Amino acid sequence: DAGVTQSPTHLIKTRGQQVTLRCSPKSGHDTVSWYQQALGQGPQFIFQYYEEEERQRGNFPDRFSGHQFPNYSSELNVNALLLGDSALYLCASSLGIGDGYTFGSGTRLTVV
Amino acid sequence: QQQVKQSPQSLIVQKGGISIINCAYENTAFDYFPWYQQFPGKGPALLIAIRPDVSEKKEGRFTISFNKSAKQFSLHIMDSQPGDSATYFCAASTVRSGSRLTFGEGTQLTVNP
Repeated sequence: DAGVTQSPTHLIKTRGQQVTLRCSPKSGHDTVSWYQQALGQGPQFIFQYYEEEERQRGNFPDRFSGHQFPNYSSELNVNALLLGDSALYLCASSLGIGDGYTFGSGTRLTVV
Repeated sequence: QQQVKQSPQSLIVQKGGISIINCAYENTAFDYFPWYQQFPGKGPALLIAIRPDVSEKKEGRFTISFNKSAKQFSLHIMDSQPGDSATYFCAASTVRSGSRLTFGEGTQLTVNP
């Protein structure tokens, strides 16, 4: 049973560019949440998608946007990249808006 | 702002010893308190979790102690092993917030052989 799959695993982008990260949830899960983890820090909640709608949003600017597809997979888009956007981006899935998250291994984004 | 404060930042114990990591929270609406273990290059993995209606939960070598009045909870790792060396995060969430997790800053645990 596959867990949460994220792609790509590593990414290097130039300041000002746009990036799209992808996530396939664990089989049977229908809710996807995205977190940003800066080096040496705990993950910070970005937003959560359920039934193809953004249900919750953390304290992140509008440059961060997302989407959930009918198959429950999700994308995280970041526009106008800043150096400070360099981080590990984690996708977590769950069944419904509840506990029991399963995290993926993340996408390491480096902005230069 | 909802915060969860975690200590210590780093911890070194000998094999067979007890590792203790502490967390304190502010938001009394939190109703779910998980601990996550993260190895380098991996995402956090749920280790053990507790709800505020119990004061202690044990799963194998891992125990959560919860003090609702003090708004504190801690993770105890008994008989610590080198394979336990990882970063540990406490977290908290509320059903009302859609169960979004608020994480502590993390504790890097090193268990020496």
